[in-house]
Amino acid sequence: AAGVIQSPRHLIKEKRETATLKCYPIPRHDTVYWYQQGPGQDPQFLISFYEKMQSDKGSIPDRFSAQQFSDYHSELNMSSLELGDSALYFCASSPRGRDGNTIYFGEGSWLTVV
Amino acid sequence: AQTVTQSQPEMSVQEAETVTLSCTYDTSENNYYLFWYKQPPSRQMILVIRQEAYKQQNATENRFSVNFQKAAKSFSLKISDSQLGDTAMYFCAFMSDTDKLIFGTGTRLQVFP
Repeated sequence: AAGVIQSPRHLIKEKRETATLKCYPIPRHDTVYWYQQGPGQDPQFLISFYEKMQSDKGSIPDRFSAQQFSDYHSELNMSSLELGDSALYFCASSPRGRDGNTIYFGEGSWLTVV
Repeated sequence: AQTVTQSQPEMSVQEAETVTLSCTYDTSENNYYLFWYKQPPSRQMILVIRQEAYKQQNATENRFSVNFQKAAKSFSLKISDSQLGDTAMYFCAFMSDTDKLIFGTGTRLQVFP
C-alpha cells in the first residue's frame, strides 16, 4: 500500500539559510499534518491542511510557512534557520471522516542546522 | 484543552512475557479517537492500534490489545508474548473529531532476551 512520502530524508543547512521539505500524502487523503520532533521529545504539531486550506495551526514559528497544492502535496518552508530548528520533521496524512480518522506518518525528514 | 499523560518514562520486559503501558487523558469531548504509536530506533512512527471512543469493545491487533476505560479516561496498551522487535518508544495519542493528534511524552520499552 502507498505510504506518505517525504523528501529529502536528510538535510544539512547552515544558520540563517532556508530549507524546504516536501510531502506527498497517501492517495485520496484530504488532510495533511506537519509535526516537529526534537531530540528526546514527543512530536509537536506545527500546522495542518484540509482540502488545500489551512485548517489548524500549532506551535509553528513565524519563520516557517507551509502550503498544500492542487495535487495535495504539501511543502514546509523554513527560513532564517536556527540551531534549535534541528529536528525530525514528520508529515502525516489522513482521510478525514473515514478509516477512524487515522493519521499515517511518513518516515520523516531529518534537518540538521550547523 | 486536551492533555495526554504517560507516567512511565521507561519500562522493561523479558522476551515472551506480557507488559502493560499506561496512558491517561483529559478531555471534555464525547467523540474522539485514541491511538498507540510505536517509534523504533529508526524513528519511524508506526501505528500500533486505535480505539474509537464510542465503541465499548476494546481494540485488539494480534499481540497488542488495549484496556479502554472511558469514564476513568484511561487507555492502556498490553503487549503479549513480547518480542525483541517490540523494543521502541511508545506514544499514546488523542484526537478529537477532525482535529490534530496530541501526543503523550512516551514510554521507552526495552525487551530483554
